[in-house]
Amino acid sequence: DTEVTQTPKHLVMGMTNKKSLKCEQHMGHRAMYWYKQKAKKPPELMFVYSYEKLSINESVPSRFSPECPNSSLLNLHLHALQPEDSALYLCASSQDPVAPLGSLSYNEQFFGPGTRLTVL
Amino acid sequence: DQQVKQNSPSLSVQEGRISILNCDYTNSMFDYFLWYKKYPAEGPTFLISISSIKDKNEDGRFTVFLNKSAKHLSLHIVPSQPGDSAVYFCAARILNTNAGKSTFGDGTTLTVKP
Repeated sequence: DTEVTQTPKHLVMGMTNKKSLKCEQHMGHRAMYWYKQKAKKPPELMFVYSYEKLSINESVPSRFSPECPNSSLLNLHLHALQPEDSALYLCASSQDPVAPLGSLSYNEQFFGPGTRLTVL
Repeated sequence: DQQVKQNSPSLSVQEGRISILNCDYTNSMFDYFLWYKKYPAEGPTFLISISSIKDKNEDGRFTVFLNKSAKHLSLHIVPSQPGDSAVYFCAARILNTNAGKSTFGDGTTLTVKP
């Protein structure tokens, strides 16, 4: 199984709603990532989990709350979002977040298909 | 300050010819570079990578060249096929730090015409 799955595919929510995005991988990867991508822009890193611990938070507003319940699952909890938060949210995983030079393949990130989020 | 730049937003090539996608970076600490391909409504897919100890890496029709002194890398696709039409992102990393953080360029949309 070399797939990263994300649910839901599409999500429409109001500014007062609470929702969660889910991501799952069964490749035994120990690093998982959340990215936000706006149209015609590159993926923008939000969070990195390394061995189930949050290792990078790219100054993301607190209305986005990540959670890593176990090594296969990554959630992104959403609350009180703004319309400008509408974007494609991508999850990714890689084998080892800090692999040495001799194990370069460990650095390749496998991306999920994303959740298209619209905030009304 | 954008540390990874892809200055051509789009590129159009005839099927069978060579596609050359370019990427420039400013941070000399980057020591690992990756190319990803993205189709609409899908997540990016890893294509090929190169470490700073090499100047060339080849995988089938795809070759990545790295010129460290110029802080420039390029992706060559030969021969180009219509199925290669996608957005190509260049990404750079500093290995053993930043817990897996990659810095992406803005992407180049490649169109391969039959």
